[in-house]
Amino acid sequence: QQPVQSPQAVILREGEDAVINCSSSKALYSVHWYRQKHGEAPIFLMILLKGGEQKGHDKISASFNEKKQQSSLYLTASQLSYSGTYFCGTEWGSQGNLIFGKGTKLSVKP
Amino acid sequence: NAGVTQTPKFRVLKTGQSMTLLCAQDMNHEYMYWYRQDPGMGLRLIHYSVGEGTTAKGEVPDGYNVSRLKKQNFLLGLESAAPSQTSVYFCASSYRGVKTEAFFGQGTRLTVV
Repeated sequence: QQPVQSPQAVILREGEDAVINCSSSKALYSVHWYRQKHGEAPIFLMILLKGGEQKGHDKISASFNEKKQQSSLYLTASQLSYSGTYFCGTEWGSQGNLIFGKGTKLSVKP
Repeated sequence: NAGVTQTPKFRVLKTGQSMTLLCAQDMNHEYMYWYRQDPGMGLRLIHYSVGEGTTAKGEVPDGYNVSRLKKQNFLLGLESAAPSQTSVYFCASSYRGVKTEAFFGQGTRLTVV
């Protein structure tokens, strides 16, 4: 039931762009995105709710296509601070819980 | 404003011992969650609660029990610890479940020997 993330890992140079995908085998009503740095707690980036809207946060944005049961996180002009593991989260069933994919490790090099 | 606080931060247990992890939030959130994080496995939901006095099983509930007697606290218990329960445990809370962001505690690193 975990959402599936791809790719598992990506290495970028500063200034390059990246896309991280999240898909589910079940209907999605909302998608969360978090970033976790090594040894720290996950930090919230954004939520996307039903409606296919795209949201943004500085140079990080995301889209949500509920028909395709997919969400994508877009990181443009990446910075060293973007390094970390990115997780997407979705609801499992309709009981108010929140489950996560296995994560995508992003490494940004100078 | 402390947010989500987990106690303890580190613990070493012997196989068969029991312990309780405490999660406390001061944001008046209804929803609380316990996750475990293992290398390559992401965050897996153990148990969760949608309000005071309620609990429900998550993806990997076996070997764990929980209680939510007070709205601000969510306790995770290990009755008889096993080496397979060596992990980093995170607690999180949110105001309205998946409709609002989740705030995470700093984690508890548990080693069972």
